[in-house]
Amino acid sequence: GENVEQHPSTLSVQEGDSAVIKCTYSDSASNYFPWYKQELGKRPQLIIDIRSNVGEKKDQRIAVTLNKTAKHFSLHITETQPEDSAVYFCAAILGSGYALNFGKGTSLLVTP
Amino acid sequence: SQTIHQWPATLVQPVGSPLSLECTVEGTSNPNLYWYRQAAGRGLQLLFYSVGIGQISSEVPQNLSASRPQDRQFILSSKKLLLSDSGFYLCAWSGAAGNEQFFGPGTRLTVL
Repeated sequence: GENVEQHPSTLSVQEGDSAVIKCTYSDSASNYFPWYKQELGKRPQLIIDIRSNVGEKKDQRIAVTLNKTAKHFSLHITETQPEDSAVYFCAAILGSGYALNFGKGTSLLVTP
Repeated sequence: SQTIHQWPATLVQPVGSPLSLECTVEGTSNPNLYWYRQAAGRGLQLLFYSVGIGQISSEVPQNLSASRPQDRQFILSSKKLLLSDSGFYLCAWSGAAGNEQFFGPGTRLTVL
């Protein structure tokens, strides 16, 4: 089945710096890649997603890039703020087209 | 707009007792429904998904089962809980023709 690797597992940056989280996937048929943000004790919230026919997508301070050939995609957060502190999960849709396989998460800490 | 409900919010159960967690979705028809488990400090593990009433796909063989008695209702059950069943159980839905998954508020289960 699909295998999604996510790095790093923890990331600490200073407020205002950029943060980058990277994921790789194994199933070349995967065509949908969402990113979720989960604050402590809360549900994961979809923050951005990208489909395989697009190489990059931006939404204000958040961007996602996709390299289909290399089978990796990345989340970029610019001008980080303390409220960006959370666990971020990448995911790739399984070959069935219904279920998502998640990476193990990156705990991001933004220090003032 | 669509909303997803889960109950109970928290549950403490003894080892060997039965389990029933419920998830309902409002504001949409024929959703795809999913059950995930998140162990403390870990990623999201897909347990079951359903594309229609009575249709259940299991991703991981284990002590749990799922049922979908109605279009917008998804139930997670166990006949005898194990200590390892403790975790944060999340229900999610997606549109029948879409990929974006939206999570419910979750049930925090502790098995003692």
